[in-house]
Amino acid sequence: QITLKESGPTLVKPTQTLTLTCTFSGFSLSTSVVGVGWIRQPPGKALEWLALIHWNDDKRYSPSLKSRLSITKDTSKNQVVLTMTNMDPVDTATYYCTHMTALRGFDYWGQGTLVTVSS
Amino acid sequence: DIQMTQSPSTLSASVGDRVTITCRASQSINSWLAWYQQKPGKAPKLLIYKASTLENGVPSRFSGSGSGTEFALTISSLQPDDFATYYCQQYNTYSPGGTYTFGQGTKLEI
Repeated sequence: QITLKESGPTLVKPTQTLTLTCTFSGFSLSTSVVGVGWIRQPPGKALEWLALIHWNDDKRYSPSLKSRLSITKDTSKNQVVLTMTNMDPVDTATYYCTHMTALRGFDYWGQGTLVTVSS
Repeated sequence: DIQMTQSPSTLSASVGDRVTITCRASQSINSWLAWYQQKPGKAPKLLIYKASTLENGVPSRFSGSGSGTEFALTISSLQPDDFATYYCQQYNTYSPGGTYTFGQGTKLEI
């Protein structure tokens, strides 16, 4: 059974760096064609893909946010960490982590964590 | 960078109706397209992958079609549980440097 759970601060100040951790179980990020991704959703708005890391450490980023994002994995801890620099109130959103396979796309999702950016 | 355009943004329908949501990619994505359903306050749920393959446990009234740049999600007979927001997403993992863009969503309302 695959599960994922996001953790991190619920409130960050403008200009600060956000660090979110996805802790997962039921799969290994060393398995071929598996990945873990991050998606966010501002209140009342659409889903926005942010970043993804593949089993082979191939990293992909949203072109519009690439300069602010970093994604890393710790296979031994079953964790993926997303950092986003220079946070702004427009970055207020629910942040989701997901399990991805090359065939099925984003097939398992965490429950999401709401991050508010405010001074 | 591949852009995904969904239409309509909002769709009003009734129980029993047949509805279709379309999704267009800015360049060919072959069949690397997924559809998700999202209800308020919940994480999205995968409905269809590889453009037309139904995820396990998804009712057969949902179907997907298309390839290249034009795709569609059809619900053959709307049920009360189907009123939600639907997103398409391209996910060509094998494309070097590829991204995983979502459409802007279609809200299906009564």
